[in-house]
Amino acid sequence: QSALTQPPSASGTPGQRVTISCSGSNSNIGSRRVNWFQHLPGTAPKLLIYSDYERPSGVPDRFSGSKSDSSASLAISGLQSEDEADYYCAAWDGSVNAWVFGGGTKLTVL
Amino acid sequence: EVELLESGGGLVQPGGSLRLSCAASGLSFSNSAMSWVRQAPGKGLEWVSGISGDSTYRYYAESVKGRFTISRDNFKNTLYLQMNSLRADDTAIYYCSAYVGGSMGHHWGQGTLVTVSS
Repeated sequence: QSALTQPPSASGTPGQRVTISCSGSNSNIGSRRVNWFQHLPGTAPKLLIYSDYERPSGVPDRFSGSKSDSSASLAISGLQSEDEADYYCAAWDGSVNAWVFGGGTKLTVL
Repeated sequence: EVELLESGGGLVQPGGSLRLSCAASGLSFSNSAMSWVRQAPGKGLEWVSGISGDSTYRYYAESVKGRFTISRDNFKNTLYLQMNSLRADDTAIYYCSAYVGGSMGHHWGQGTLVTVSS
């Protein structure tokens, strides 16, 4: 059981806006910053969002992050077929002194 | 450009040991915290261990505490993970990753596969 809770799946059609949620607690999301990753199994994960809403250079502004209390969200607008991947949230958890990941959300572009 | 290259994976019997390495280039290695993250077959990403730039701070996931040891050689720009008492559920692709500031996961290697089986 992951410390951070994500929906196992999400889907959308090209051009749509999709949101993926990530629920935690006061010891992680509630008091620490959240990172989001895009991952195709067998390849290197890619950082999409760090510190709740910051985008690394090279990440399209179609990807955005937000946070409220102990929950965070990743929004993808203008959905494209190449966005089909697994998405993970992660945050430092001060109660266990470890980074914790969400279980991952598999995004399907219909 | 930052490059992280893992090596040392392979097939090992339960109870055995393995040492993973991650050679880094293109970053100020001694100033970068580093971590190991793994993905077991059919499972999600799991943070395994992290180490500060000067090795003062080392942290471990509960699942590997007491069995795995993270270390680094800042002269060789290399990160290590010594894995002892390996179990079948340690079977995974192991990725090394570099922090930027206190933020994990800004740069990643391609991973090395560890298979624990008799």
